[in-house]
Amino acid sequence: AQKVTQAQTEISVVEKEDVTLDCVYETRDTTYYLFWYKQPPSGELVFLIRRNSFDEQNEISGRYSWNFQKSTSSFNFTITASQVVDSAVYFCALSGEYGNKLVFGAGTILRVKS
Amino acid sequence: NAGVTQTPKFQVLKTGQSMTLQCAQDMNHEYMSWYRQDPGMGLRLIHYSVGAGITDQGEVPNGYNVSRSTTEDFPLRLLSAAPSQTSVYFCASSYVTGRQPQHFGDGTRLSIL
Repeated sequence: AQKVTQAQTEISVVEKEDVTLDCVYETRDTTYYLFWYKQPPSGELVFLIRRNSFDEQNEISGRYSWNFQKSTSSFNFTITASQVVDSAVYFCALSGEYGNKLVFGAGTILRVKS
Repeated sequence: NAGVTQTPKFQVLKTGQSMTLQCAQDMNHEYMSWYRQDPGMGLRLIHYSVGAGITDQGEVPNGYNVSRSTTEDFPLRLLSAAPSQTSVYFCASSYVTGRQPQHFGDGTRLSIL
């Protein structure tokens, strides 16, 4: 069975601090996909990134970066120089190769204070 | 380009009432699904469909029915609402392959009294 664990329930930081959100996954599939979604206070789900199991390159997009390590089954998300607008719930999710059934972690609430 | 449209956005029901949550997408996606979001549990898959006429159960299907008569629409039916079904419901769509990110609707907040 597939499983995603986000051990950090809630994180509070002060603006401009860097913050890393942890994601650990379990799967027996050799091909799988990992995702991060953001849910701002308005409630919608915003897609941030997709990573497939064969691509372990880290990715940077502006202040966001992602570190995928198959050896530790982790797909961590770092926000550099956090801003108040980053305050949201962040979900890590996993899907197998055949189908789109996403398995979500419980989410991490990020609060960025000014 | 509307994407995934869910209606209604909010609904309050009494225990035992029935209701249909509507979901429509205009991207010609084969895959559609319903999730429920509960505090501390992330999103959990209720039902999904890989095309018109094909549906299957997800992780938490009990108490819910679905059908897929067209590519565009995927309604979720609660036949006899229970307080345990109080949740936020999200519909999503994508192309079939797992590599594609899913597009989510804005959600329906449902309260069962």
